[in-house]
Amino acid sequence: QKEVEQDPGPLSVPEGAIVSLNCTYSNSAFQYFMWYRQYSRKGPELLMYTYSSGNKEDGRFTAQVDKSSKYISLFIRDSQPSDSATYLCAMRGNSGGSNYKLTFGKGTLLTVNP
Amino acid sequence: EAQVTQNPRYLITVTGKKLTVTCSQNMNHEYMSWYRQDPGLGLRQIYYSMNVEVTDKGDVPEGYKVSRKEKRNFPLILESPSPNQTSLYFCASSLRSGASYEQYFGPGTRLTVT
Repeated sequence: QKEVEQDPGPLSVPEGAIVSLNCTYSNSAFQYFMWYRQYSRKGPELLMYTYSSGNKEDGRFTAQVDKSSKYISLFIRDSQPSDSATYLCAMRGNSGGSNYKLTFGKGTLLTVNP
Repeated sequence: EAQVTQNPRYLITVTGKKLTVTCSQNMNHEYMSWYRQDPGLGLRQIYYSMNVEVTDKGDVPEGYKVSRKEKRNFPLILESPSPNQTSLYFCASSLRSGASYEQYFGPGTRLTVT
């Protein structure tokens, strides 16, 4: 079983839709959970991160972590064409050395159609 | 402007010809990392550095070397490139290793080895 699983999509939605992106993981040592956005021909950029379980909201974006199910989600409300990108989940542990390494999902390609 | 720069952005080379991809950040970050991104495999860490003169292997270090003689620079060296190193390479940095959840990525270097 891979450490982090993410459906690669592609996912195509109409403008204004609510988008749900998800990842599952197997390593119970993961404590930090990130969502990065990557536009075509660009480097990833951090959208938001969550420590341990719970929800975090930032504008139209909400990140959820359910550690009991080893499942994380990113919700995008009122999606816009400018949200069209690949969304990468990433995770890491909480202690030193190699545990600072991020483990990425393969990314989900999202297209928001006007 | 705070940024991570990489050079070159595009490179086509032949098997066995040594090359260096440079990475520089102007944010006084301690932690720097190299990734490769391949279709179907996602982002994988090659090497990372927790500070000057401190480097360690990531998940896929074979065929690569790095050095960290100055805080701002973290070059990636391919001493004898092979076609399986054809990939999209990203350099990233974060304030410190404990804050590696918030990494700033460079624009990427697309390398083709023939």
